[in-house]
Amino acid sequence: DQQVKQNSPSLSVQEGRISILNCDYTNSMFDYFLWYKKYPAEGPTFLISISSIKDKNEDGRFTVFLNKSAKHLSLHIVPSQPGDSAVYFCAASVMSNYQLIWGAGTKLIIKP
Amino acid sequence: KAGVTQTPRYLIKTRGQQVTLSCSPISGHRSVSWYQQTPGQGLQFLFEYFSETQRNKGNFPGRFSGRQFSNSRSEMNVSTLELGDSALYLCASSLSTAYTEAFFGQGTRLTVV
Repeated sequence: DQQVKQNSPSLSVQEGRISILNCDYTNSMFDYFLWYKKYPAEGPTFLISISSIKDKNEDGRFTVFLNKSAKHLSLHIVPSQPGDSAVYFCAASVMSNYQLIWGAGTKLIIKP
Repeated sequence: KAGVTQTPRYLIKTRGQQVTLSCSPISGHRSVSWYQQTPGQGLQFLFEYFSETQRNKGNFPGRFSGRQFSNSRSEMNVSTLELGDSALYLCASSLSTAYTEAFFGQGTRLTVV
């Protein structure tokens, strides 16, 4: 049973436009969410996080939105750049637990 | 400061053999988590250690085991290797808890033939 789902295996976006990556979860106990980016042959790199007491968190070109009622979070990248081409994973956790539950990832391709 | 170091980077083993993978976390980080990544799958949680104690374990068979040493370095062992164990194994370290920002190593690519 997948508790964290990224339903789009891939997404193609024009350079300069907005990229929106989506993630749905089923466990209402999750209270902390993170986004990671992964390039081939490298480990994932932390991008941005949000706790369940917030509905938005920004860091430069990256903004994460959390909709708790819909159990949905999204990552917005504006503007998209070629270096953003990577696989993006969302992950969720219960803060009293000691593991992250990961989605399957979305491959983002930025077209020049 | 130095990042998370995983050794070896690549490994080829035969079915039935066992393998040990090593992870050196960032200095000062006491939490080490291990993940398995296979094509098309997200990261599957194996286990998490903090101060030499396993705090959580994922849904993997008992052939997968791990340990953490007093210097926070960690090893994971897979015994009686199966073809399906071929994967990228990633180690992540964080300051105290697995849900805070974790820093990943480059992984060990294990191929079982």
